[in-house]
Amino acid sequence: DTEVTQTPKHLVMGMTNKKSLKCEQHMGHRAMYWYKQKAKKPPELMFVYSYEKLSINESVPSRFSPECPNSSLLNLHLHALQPEDSALYLCASSQGQGPLLVGELFFGEGSRLTVL
Amino acid sequence: QKEVEQNSGPLSVPEGAIASLNCTYSDRVSQSFFWYRQYSGKSPELIMSIYSNGDKEDGRFTAQLNKASQYVSLLIRDSQPSDSATYLCAVRGADGLTFGKGTHLIIQP
Repeated sequence: DTEVTQTPKHLVMGMTNKKSLKCEQHMGHRAMYWYKQKAKKPPELMFVYSYEKLSINESVPSRFSPECPNSSLLNLHLHALQPEDSALYLCASSQGQGPLLVGELFFGEGSRLTVL
Repeated sequence: QKEVEQNSGPLSVPEGAIASLNCTYSDRVSQSFFWYRQYSGKSPELIMSIYSNGDKEDGRFTAQLNKASQYVSLLIRDSQPSDSATYLCAVRGADGLTFGKGTHLIIQP
């Protein structure tokens, strides 16, 4: 069982909708990540939060808006998405210090998003 | 642009044999190396990490690292059908974690 929990597992939304993806971890990790993964491609980094502060934004369009309410929670707010944004959105966490908190990543099961 | 290269496969291996997966990377200052397994439709799962030259064994899995040649490999002994998955190599450098495109492994019963 993964210790990183993502909800919802599946989401279908129209291009004018506003929705949110949620992620929770209880491992005491201080870094949390959003990745996007298209079919047969590797995960692509979107955002990194370090100690609840946004430390990396990989030039992601503003229709994706991350939020880290506390060290255990990470949200991704979605608004005015495009069909090409359909993908598996993965949350991950890791231990570490500093702005690049990479190491052993623990992924959630992902939220599969379909934009109509 | 830091690159991590893997043969996309599919790599087909008979059950019980050794599966050998390879990965090369371009950033000489890379520090940490990881293998993730991803079943179709599921999220990646960390199966091995290696930080220094040589071999690291964990059960049926052995990771091998050669920093001079800039390659890292994963051996799976006594391959099982449940090992059929995509294996992602990930390399940590100064810029963060870079994933390879993955090798699709098929274990034939």
